[in-house]
Amino acid sequence: EPEVTQTPSHQVTQMGQEVILRCVPISNHLYFYWYRQILGQKVEFLVSFYNNEISEKSEIFDDQFSVERPDGSNFTLKIRSTKLEDSAMYFCASRATSGAYNEQFFGPGTRLTVL
Amino acid sequence: DAKTTQPNSMESNEEEPVHLPCNHSTISGTDYIHWYRQLPSQGPEYVIHGLTSNVNNRMASLAIAEDRKSSTLILHRATLRDAAVYYCILTGTGANNLFFGTGTRLTVIP
Repeated sequence: EPEVTQTPSHQVTQMGQEVILRCVPISNHLYFYWYRQILGQKVEFLVSFYNNEISEKSEIFDDQFSVERPDGSNFTLKIRSTKLEDSAMYFCASRATSGAYNEQFFGPGTRLTVL
Repeated sequence: DAKTTQPNSMESNEEEPVHLPCNHSTISGTDYIHWYRQLPSQGPEYVIHGLTSNVNNRMASLAIAEDRKSSTLILHRATLRDAAVYYCILTGTGANNLFFGTGTRLTVIP
């Protein structure tokens, strides 16, 4: 069964460093998302991406964040200068087509630890 | 985004049916009702969705009230693997994003 994959599973970085989290969505899916979950808190929407551009972003997704689909398979989230409060699980998701009835498929997540 | 209300936690005995309620009194006519769950240390996982009619799939059943202001996720025989946080989420026309609440933490007792 197709699945969303994410690398690395765990990333440790120093405050102020740049990190890139990688995702491989399900092949032929058109919509891509990033969510994050701070330990013990709820899953929060960060950004959605379609047709090579951002569709929607939350207040969390400020200028320190960017997303890219550099080739036909990868979808990346970059944090330019990490802060302690960026420590969280980051989940990538993809969806086949538009339509409120379509489900999103989530990856296993990347745990980001900022020291 | 239309809000949903769920109990914080529920318990069930293994192999018993579980009914997880969700209230969504401000649902609009075009909102779909989705259920996702998050197993410990994993990403969210789609469970089921519906619009007006009750729905069944291999994982669960979804019972939707006639006025659509509430719904119930039914796990017919809870297993230990069903212990998770269950989220009831509304998605509207053109809405791409999922807004997770705090969900219901289901504990399955052996």
